[in-house]
Amino acid sequence: GAVVSQHPSWVICKSGTSVKIECRSLDFQATTMFWYRQFPKQSLMLMATSNEGSKATYEQGVEKDKFLINHASLTLSTLTVTSAHPEDSSFYICSAMGQYGETQYFGPGTRLLVL
Amino acid sequence: DQQVKQNSPSLSVQEGRISILNCDYTNSMFDYFLWYKKYPAEGPTFLISISSIKDKNEDGRFTVFLNKSAKHLSLHIVPSQPGDSAVYFCAASGNDYKLSFGAGTTVTVRA
Repeated sequence: GAVVSQHPSWVICKSGTSVKIECRSLDFQATTMFWYRQFPKQSLMLMATSNEGSKATYEQGVEKDKFLINHASLTLSTLTVTSAHPEDSSFYICSAMGQYGETQYFGPGTRLLVL
Repeated sequence: DQQVKQNSPSLSVQEGRISILNCDYTNSMFDYFLWYKKYPAEGPTFLISISSIKDKNEDGRFTVFLNKSAKHLSLHIVPSQPGDSAVYFCAASGNDYKLSFGAGTTVTVRA
């Protein structure tokens, strides 16, 4: 149980384009999903918290207009990196938390490379 | 400001022996603590957790100890196996459920 998937696992795009990353909880309903970013040799840094049916809350320093988050259902949250630039290249990981638990279960991550 | 610290970037242990990973935190509002295992280019895998009302939680080969007064927790893996070689992250959260992660400890289990 508690499986979280992400799609795509790898994406390479040109600078200026937008990229959408999907995060799905496969066997449970996730009232809350989180989006993290990990740069090489660093720890995971929380970007935003996504609650189903409401606006995402962003951590300090994360541009909400650049990283659009939509949590339209209890099993799906999407992160769109708008007008991506090379400095946005990173490993993006989502996590999902069920209605009754405090444990976050993580997806496999999406590696984004912006050329 | 790093609220969760793993001061040992690496740990090497012989197969069959005990691995002890340490983690310290500074935020007294944290009340839930987790350990994750991570391979490169993959998402973290949940291992074990403990809430602040307990001082020990055990699951198979994994035991987590919490010392609230010292703001310290540790993960014991016994016996260590080659498949345990990975990066281990300590994480903590308060009532907002937001996780703060440590920098990770790379564990290498030698055959």
